[in-house]
Amino acid sequence: IAGITQAPTSQILAAGRRMTLRCTQDMRHNAMYWYRQDLGLGLRLIHYSNTAGTTGKGEVPDGYSVSRANTDDFPLTLASAVPSQTSVYFCASSEDIRSDTQYFGPGTRLTVL
Amino acid sequence: KNQVEQSPQSLIILEGKNCTLQCNYTVSPFSNLRWYKQDTGRGPVSLTIMTFSENTKSNGRYTATLDADTKQSSLHITASQLSDSASYICVVSQGGGNEKLTFGTGTRLTIIP
Repeated sequence: IAGITQAPTSQILAAGRRMTLRCTQDMRHNAMYWYRQDLGLGLRLIHYSNTAGTTGKGEVPDGYSVSRANTDDFPLTLASAVPSQTSVYFCASSEDIRSDTQYFGPGTRLTVL
Repeated sequence: KNQVEQSPQSLIILEGKNCTLQCNYTVSPFSNLRWYKQDTGRGPVSLTIMTFSENTKSNGRYTATLDADTKQSSLHITASQLSDSASYICVVSQGGGNEKLTFGTGTRLTIIP
């Protein structure tokens, strides 16, 4: 059992380019989340999904979109990357939106030049 | 505004020594408080979770305390090991059906031999 995986591990991207960060979990968790982690700031929620077919906006959703076509996958897309989106991105999942514990993926380090 | 503040920002101690990390929060209404450990280059991993009625909870050499009246929590690490070097993140969940998480910025702990 892999748990929750993310791809790529790291990426350098030119500003203006489109980029999709992948996240897959095999725990059959209903809820999934995308966070960004920046130096000096706590993890900030970008988007979340309560269950397959539904998504919601977090604290910092602008410039990002998500989809949840099935239970396992929750990709995060940057339609036109900007340097301020340089960050480490973490995907997480939990049994449901009210679960006590979220399980985090290993992260994707994204640099936008 | 809901906030979670952690102190110190960073801490260096000798292997085998004990240490205590602090977390103060202003989140209301309160649902639960969690401590996560984040190794460098990895995603956060849950250590403990405490609800309003719990004052202390242990996980091996980690002991978390909660004072819901003063809105303070601490994480005590006993007989530190080199593998304890990591960032420790305090996360407070908002109750009342919101389930919003507020993350602290973490304490960076370094254990030296």
